[in-house]
Formats: sequence, C-alpha cells, structure tokens
Amino acid sequence: DAGVTQSPTHLIKTRGQQVTLRCSPKSGHDTVSWYQQALGQGPQFIFQYYEEEERQRGNFPDRFSGHQFPNYSSELNVNALLLGDSALYLCASSSLAGMGLRSEQFFGPGTRLTVL
Amino acid sequence: AQKVTQAQTEISVVEKEDVTLDCVYETRDTTYYLFWYKQPPSGELVFLIRRNSFDEQNEISGRYSWNFQKSTSSFNFTITASQVVDSAVYFCALKTSGSRLTFGEGTQLTVNP
Repeated sequence: DAGVTQSPTHLIKTRGQQVTLRCSPKSGHDTVSWYQQALGQGPQFIFQYYEEEERQRGNFPDRFSGHQFPNYSSELNVNALLLGDSALYLCASSSLAGMGLRSEQFFGPGTRLTVL
Repeated sequence: AQKVTQAQTEISVVEKEDVTLDCVYETRDTTYYLFWYKQPPSGELVFLIRRNSFDEQNEISGRYSWNFQKSTSSFNFTITASQVVDSAVYFCALKTSGSRLTFGEGTQLTVNP
C-alpha cells in the first residue's frame, strides 16, 4: 500500500518564477493538506482540499494556490517566487472521516524548494 | 488563535537515558486534539501519539509515554531507554478544527552511543 507520494523531490527556481508541486494521497484518502516548513521551523498550514475545493486556508498570500483532481491527487502552485518561499513543502492526506479532530494525517517526504 | 511552544530547541542524551520533551499549547477551544510527530533526516513526518482534550489519562506505549495536564496546558512526551535511532526532530501539534495542525518549532533530539 503506497503512502503519500510527492514530486519532485528537489526543485531550484529563481525569483519571480512559478512552480507546481504534486502530491498523491495514500490509498483510500480523499483529503489533502499542504504545509510549508522553513529550515529549522515547524510546518505551517497552507490549505486543505476536499472534493476538489479549498476547505481551509492558513495565513498565506494569494500567490499560493492549489487544485485537487477527481482522483484526489493535488497540486500546489506558487507564483512570483520570493527568496522566502525556499522551504520544504509537505503534503498530508486523510480520509473523509479525517475531517474530524481525531484523524491522523499521513505525510509525504516533501519537496525541497530552493529559490535563488 | 492557536499556539504551540516547544521551549527545548535541542536535547542531547546518551543511549539508554530517559528523555522528556516539553510542549505547552494555547487555545480557547474546549475540544481539541494534541499530537506528537517525529521527523527523521529524511523529512517525512511520522505520527507517534495523539490525545484528546477530554482524556487526561496518561499512557505508556512501549518506550513512549506522555503526560497530558490540562491545568497547565502541557503535553509532554517521554522516551524511555533512548536509542540512537530515536535521533530526530520531534514536533508537538494541536488540532482544533478540520485538518489544520498547528505545530511547535520542534525539538532536535540527539542520542549518542
């Protein structure tokens, strides 16, 4: 049973460019959340997708957008990249029941984005 | 607003020592869950334990145990007889709605042989 997968593993971009990160949830899961983890810090919640709609959003600018596909996979898009966007981007999945507080989220290995 | 504080930035112990990781949280919600995650150098967050706000019973699971005290808003995590493989960054997290987790800054644990 495959866990949460993310691609690419590493990515290098320059300021002003746009980037797309991809996530496939764990089998049986239908909810995807994205987190940004700057070096030496805890993950920060970006947003959550369920039924192809954004359901919750953290304190991130509109440059950060996302999408969820009918197969539950998800993309995170970041426009007009800034140096401060350099971070590990983590994807987490859970099931519909996972909308509850008790639910455990399963995390992927992350995509390391470096902005030069 | 929710907040999680892990005051210990780094902890270093010798193998077989017991180690306790501290976590203090803030929330106005009466219903919430607390979690501990482990992040090895590979980067993937691994779920360890969870506790809801209505259950203050402390438990032991193998070498892991936790101490939840609502009166002091603390959720401390103890590893007994630490091993080198326990070396990682440990995060305490709070969930009060939906899927959103609020994480602390993490504690880097190094277990030396």
